[in-house]
Amino acid sequence: EAGVAQSPRYKIIEKRQSVAFWCNPISGHATLYWYQQILGQGPKLLIQFQNNGVVDDSQLPKDRFSAERLKGVDSTLKIQPAKLEDSAVYLCASSLGGGLAAVTGELFFGEGSRLTVL
Amino acid sequence: QKEVEQNSGPLSVPEGAIASLNCTYSDRGSQSFFWYRQYSGKSPELIMFIYSNGDKEDGRFTAQLNKASQYVSLLIRDSQPSDSATYLCAVNNMNRDDKIIFGKGTRLHILP
Repeated sequence: EAGVAQSPRYKIIEKRQSVAFWCNPISGHATLYWYQQILGQGPKLLIQFQNNGVVDDSQLPKDRFSAERLKGVDSTLKIQPAKLEDSAVYLCASSLGGGLAAVTGELFFGEGSRLTVL
Repeated sequence: QKEVEQNSGPLSVPEGAIASLNCTYSDRGSQSFFWYRQYSGKSPELIMFIYSNGDKEDGRFTAQLNKASQYVSLLIRDSQPSDSATYLCAVNNMNRDDKIIFGKGTRLHILP
């Protein structure tokens, strides 16, 4: 079974530029998450999708971050314009949905996209 | 107040000893609790979950939950150098679907 795919793995940009990250979850997984992990900190939930609807985006800085999940499958996270403090690893994860992860915590993470903003 | 609090460490434990990792949470509505392990440069991986008060054992790992004290812990017996990693405590509030909130993690070093 293929895992969660993310791209690009690494990206270096200058502040005020834009960047986009792509995520393809495990086939059949209804729930998709984007987490931001700054060095030395735990993952911070940015947005959670259930199929193609947003469940939670309370921590997403909406003035510069946007995310979409087309047709309930792939997802894209965009940052425009980027700030120095956006330097982090952006982790995409997926789960079956239906409340299963709420009990088991079974999230499947991709390898992450490491962003450096200069 | 942060939802999930952990001591960032590092916690240094001799090989073969018991490593004890602790976590507190603020939301009394939290129902399930998880421990993830994250090696440097890698993504988190789930080790254990617990939702009932008491202990849950899986091999060398034991998760402990005390809902009255809002306290979760992870014990690692017979610590091995390969256990050196960051351990993330996470919680779910059943009222929030499959939302999972992580603590900042505790770095664990097993000394050979």
